This record gives sequence, C-alpha cells and structure tokens, in this order.
Amino acid sequence: GENVEQHPSTLSVQEGDSAVIKCTYSDSASNYFPWYKQELGKRPQLIIDIRSNVGEKKDQRIAVTLNKTAKHFSLHITETQPEDSAVYFCAAGERGSTLGRLYFGRGTQLTVWP
Amino acid sequence: KAGVTQTPRYLIKTRGQQVTLSCSPISGHRSVSWYQQTPGQGLQFLFEYFSETQRNKGNFPGRFSGRQFSNSRSEMNVSTLELGDSALYLCASSLVGTGYSGNTIYFGEGSWLTVV
Repeated sequence: GENVEQHPSTLSVQEGDSAVIKCTYSDSASNYFPWYKQELGKRPQLIIDIRSNVGEKKDQRIAVTLNKTAKHFSLHITETQPEDSAVYFCAAGERGSTLGRLYFGRGTQLTVWP
Repeated sequence: KAGVTQTPRYLIKTRGQQVTLSCSPISGHRSVSWYQQTPGQGLQFLFEYFSETQRNKGNFPGRFSGRQFSNSRSEMNVSTLELGDSALYLCASSLVGTGYSGNTIYFGEGSWLTVV
C-alpha cells in the first residue's frame, strides 16, 4: 500500500515568516494530495488539495506544489500568523474505486510565535 | 448545509466491553470512511462504506467492524475493548462521482473513546 512520509514533525517560525512542510509518497498510482489542518481538540479541516494533473495551486497565503516524478509534494504558508499554529497533515489518495481512502503523513506541529 | 455529525462525542468504557459509534454524513454524500487517530500512530484508515457495502478495509483486527444504512448513516463497533483502543475515532464523508478518484473528504468532530 501507499506510504506517506512527512517532515518536519515540528516547526517553529516567527510571525510573518514562511513555513514549508514536505511530504513524499510511494505509490505512483496516487493522484490526489490534500492537506488538512487540525487545531487542538478539533476535526481535521481541508485547507488545500492538488490533483496530479496540476503542478502548483495557490489560495491566498497557502500554496501546494507537486512533483510527480520525484513523488513529493509540499505545503507553503507565507506571512504566517499565530492562528496558523496547528498540526498539519498531508495525505495521498488512491486511484480507482476506493475513493474514500487517504493515507496520511504523521503530521507537523506548526507553532507561529508573535 | 450540516457537516458530518458524530455521536457520542466522548465516552469511557471498560476493558472487555463493546462500543458503537455513529456517523451521519453530509447530505448527499454516499461514501463514509472511518479513521482512528492516536498520538503514536497518527491517522489510520479503518474502513470505507459506499451504498451499504464495505469497499475497503485497513489493517485492524476483526474486533473492529462497521456498517452503513440505506440513508448513508454509518456505525462502527469495537468489541472486546482493549486499553490500546483509546483514541479519537473520526468519520469522514465524500461525494462520490464516477470515474474520478480524489473526491474531497470532510471529517466529523470525532468520538473520543477512553478505555479504562
């Protein structure tokens, strides 16, 4: 099955700086890569996703890049704010009929210091 | 519209007991999947249901089971509870189209299970 590796496990940045989280995946059949943000005690919430026919996607301060050849994708957060502090999870989705399954990375605890 | 609803939100059970968790997906969503979240193992896939059929199952023992009803609501059951089953159990739903994988998955708030 798919294996998703996520780095770093913790990340501390100063408010206003950029944060980058990187993930790699193993199954070349994966073609859907969402990122979730989970605040303490809350549900994981989708913040951005990318599909394998796209190399980059941006939504305001958040961007995701995908390199299918190298099997890695990254989350970029610019102009970080204290409310960006949370655990971020990357995931990879299977192709085919099993549409509901995602393989998750272990998460990155992002702390933004004011 | 309403999001994914899970009940109960918190529960405490004793080793050896069994527990049933319930999930109501977003209206119109027909796929429901379940995940276990623990600090040590992260988010792990349990199983996925679509049109009352289990389509995929993760690497969990047979004590973990589930089902889906005709209205897409789903339940999961854990029998003979062990201390290691203490976790946040997350339900997620997605709108399933045909021929394209990668439908957005939306999570519920989860059910916090503590086994003592």
